[in-house]
Amino acid sequence: AQTVTQSQPEMSVQEAETVTLSCTYDTSESDYYLFWYKQPPSRQMILVIRQEAYKQQNATENRFSVNFQKAAKSFSLKISDSQLGDAAMYFCAYGGTSYDKVIFGPGTSLSVIP
Amino acid sequence: DTEVTQTPKHLVMGMTNKKSLKCEQHMGHRAMYWYKQKAKKPPELMFVYSYEKLSINESVPSRFSPECPNSSLLNLHLHALQPEDSALYLCASSRTGQGSTEAFFGQGTRLTVV
Repeated sequence: AQTVTQSQPEMSVQEAETVTLSCTYDTSESDYYLFWYKQPPSRQMILVIRQEAYKQQNATENRFSVNFQKAAKSFSLKISDSQLGDAAMYFCAYGGTSYDKVIFGPGTSLSVIP
Repeated sequence: DTEVTQTPKHLVMGMTNKKSLKCEQHMGHRAMYWYKQKAKKPPELMFVYSYEKLSINESVPSRFSPECPNSSLLNLHLHALQPEDSALYLCASSRTGQGSTEAFFGQGTRLTVV
């Protein structure tokens, strides 16, 4: 069975600085997808970034980028130039290619200090 | 339109009440989901509807009854709930039910059972 682990329950970052959130996963599949979702205090969860496992190139979306290490089964999220609006719960998630559910990690609560 | 709309936003119900949560999307997505989320925890999958058919039921108690009247609507009927059922109930949709596709979440219904 697939599992997703986020070892940092809470993190904080100074505004304008860079922070990296960690995620590791376990799977026996060779093809799959990884996601970072953000859930601000207003509750609505939104997708931050998505990575296809077959792609070696790390995904980027503006200030958000990932470091995907397939052999190590590691998928960290880097947030550059942190802003107050980045404060949220961040969930790492795994999606298989078969008709199946998405597995969420336990989440990391990120605080941004002005 | 990239919205998933949930009503009501807040609901307080007694243990003998019957109520329904509603979810609507107009993105043409063919998969819709109900999740239960406790504070500072990841969403827990409850049900998946794919092409209007129930495809996954994560051993949810029968006091929760899902319904998918059409491809745009998803209901969750509640009856004889327990205080431990108090949580944020999230609806989501995706283009297909495969784990590779991005899920779009609603803002949730904050349910309190008294």
